[in-house]
Order: sequence, then C-alpha cells, then structure tokens
Amino acid sequence: SQTIHQWPATLVQPVGSPLSLECTVEGTSNPNLYWYRQAAGRGLQLLFYSVGIGQISSEVPQNLSASRPQDRQFILSSKKLLLSDSGFYLCAWGAFPASSPLHFGNGTRLTVT
Amino acid sequence: TQLLEQSPQFLSIQEGENLTVYCNSSSVFSSLQWYRQEPGEGPVLLVTVVTGGEVKKLKRLTFQFGDARKDSSLHITAAQPGDTGLYLCAGGPTSGTYKYIFGTGTRLKVLA
Repeated sequence: SQTIHQWPATLVQPVGSPLSLECTVEGTSNPNLYWYRQAAGRGLQLLFYSVGIGQISSEVPQNLSASRPQDRQFILSSKKLLLSDSGFYLCAWGAFPASSPLHFGNGTRLTVT
Repeated sequence: TQLLEQSPQFLSIQEGENLTVYCNSSSVFSSLQWYRQEPGEGPVLLVTVVTGGEVKKLKRLTFQFGDARKDSSLHITAAQPGDTGLYLCAGGPTSGTYKYIFGTGTRLKVLA
C-alpha cells in the first residue's frame, strides 16, 4: 500500500532563518506531488506541484521554493523565512487519471517568530 | 483563477439534526472531491463524484455533483458528534492541468 511521510511535524524558526520541509512517498511510482499551505481552520492554498523529477510548477509567487530531486521526494525550502510564512504545510500525492483523489501527509506546523 | 466557495463557513448543531454544506464555483471541474480534516492532521477523502448530476451515499452522508459540474453539496442526516471536523471540497484537474483547487472550508461542530 502507498504511504506518505512528512517531517518534521512541528517547527519553530526565527525570522530570516532557512527552511527545509521534506516529503516522501512509498508504494507508488511517478506520483504527482503537491505542497499546500493552510491557514487555521481554512481551505488549502496550492503552492507548488510536480509531475516528474525536476519539474516544478509554482502557483503563488512568494518566499518559498520547491524541488523534486527523486521520483518520490518533494522538498519545500526557503532561504529566509518571513513571519507571513507561518502556517500548516501539507504534502500530497496523486495519480492518474485526474479523477483520482489526493493523499495527504500529516502536515508540518510552522511557526516563524 | 478557479475558486471554490463553501457555505456556511461555520456550523454548530445539536446531535440528531440534519445539515447541508454547499460548494460553488463558476468553473467546470473534471471531478469533485470531499475531504474531512481533523485538527493537526491531513485531509482524508470521503468521496469523489465525476459525472454531472451524480449522487453518492456514504452511510448518513449524501453527496451530489451539479449537472454542469460546477457545484456540489454534502448532506448529513442525523449528525453525530463524530461528524465534527473541517469539511473541504476540491475540484479535480481539468484538461491539461494537474491542479486540485480546494474550497474555503466548512467547520462543523456537532454538540451531544
């Protein structure tokens, strides 16, 4: 069966520090991978998605970047965090066809102080 | 820009009551999915509807996809405290894209 791992679960970082969040998927090949951010009790904002190694589509111009160095690994990064980067970050994977659902990790709660 | 608006945003009801959550858009989607999310966890899929006019039932939950594939509703019969959570609709990718667009969310609290 397929599983998705996301870490760390919580993170407190000072303003101006770097960020690296990692997501890995097991049990499937060539998944579509997604990073979403969620404000408290609200919907999900799509940040990045990837349909293959090295292929990154950015949805929201901001202080973040994403990379996919391996088929089942997706990384969210920042060189210098801002207060506004605080939030709940969720990684997800999906498969073809397009009607297939997304499968989410348990998220990372990021607090920038 | 594709948007999905959910209503109501918040809902607090007594156990045993019925409720309906709406998910509306001006865009057409290939599919419409409903998820439920608990605090501190990722969303979990409840159902996917694909065909315009489709109705799916999952125990006390009934999901409907609009004829034009632009809107959907979730109806819960005889709500229970275990139904408490954040309900999210999501539009599946349209031709040529891979983006899933999520709704604004409905936070449901069912009081015992």
